[in-house]
Amino acid sequence: DIVMTQSPDSLAVSLGERATINCKSSQNILYNTNNKNYLAWYQQKPGQPPKLLLYWASIRESGVPDRFSGSGSATDFTLTISNLQAEDVAVYYCQQYYLAPYAFGQGTKLEIK
Amino acid sequence: QITLKESGPTLVKPTQTLTLTCTFSGFSLSNAGVGVGWFRQPPGKTLEWLALIQWDDDKRHSPSLSSRLTVTKDTSKNQVVLIMTNMDPVDTATYYCARALGKIHDQWGQGILVTVSS
Repeated sequence: DIVMTQSPDSLAVSLGERATINCKSSQNILYNTNNKNYLAWYQQKPGQPPKLLLYWASIRESGVPDRFSGSGSATDFTLTISNLQAEDVAVYYCQQYYLAPYAFGQGTKLEIK
Repeated sequence: QITLKESGPTLVKPTQTLTLTCTFSGFSLSNAGVGVGWFRQPPGKTLEWLALIQWDDDKRHSPSLSSRLTVTKDTSKNQVVLIMTNMDPVDTATYYCARALGKIHDQWGQGILVTVSS
């Protein structure tokens, strides 16, 4: 099974600043045939279901603000939240959908400093 | 507008079978590339993928749970059913269904908290 590991487990960032969350997969999740990384990022607020933010590692879902961006390839990925807003307080998860079981990272809790 | 809603029992006893129904609207499971996935999340923990059923009835299950899981679809009713046998207290979690485009789960239900206790 592919294991997804996020860092850090928690993060406190000042309003207006940048938050960076890392995600590492235990195997390459870049499919060479289509040159796509099979990685998604989700945001989850308390009492709510996960919300898809990014897929193919860097494609923003419709309606997601452009302060959310994704980068990386193969085994190492990053979610960057620029100009942090109060409503960005949440737990963030990465997920690989390259190979079943489609595992998630353990989550990163983002708070305001 | 796309909506999904999970329904079923919120309390089951150990060894019982859990049957959850995902009723959706705004999309069709007869369209190529569309599927419905199931996930769960124990309180305070991360998400776990359980199963995925596709428009062509292709099914994937978590290997660690495959012997306990069954997933079926009723395209005419816009429903997907998840059956999990031999429930245990460690299966206590919020269970979610979500629409899948390919394997990208873009729209999620609100979830249903299932507690396993005698």
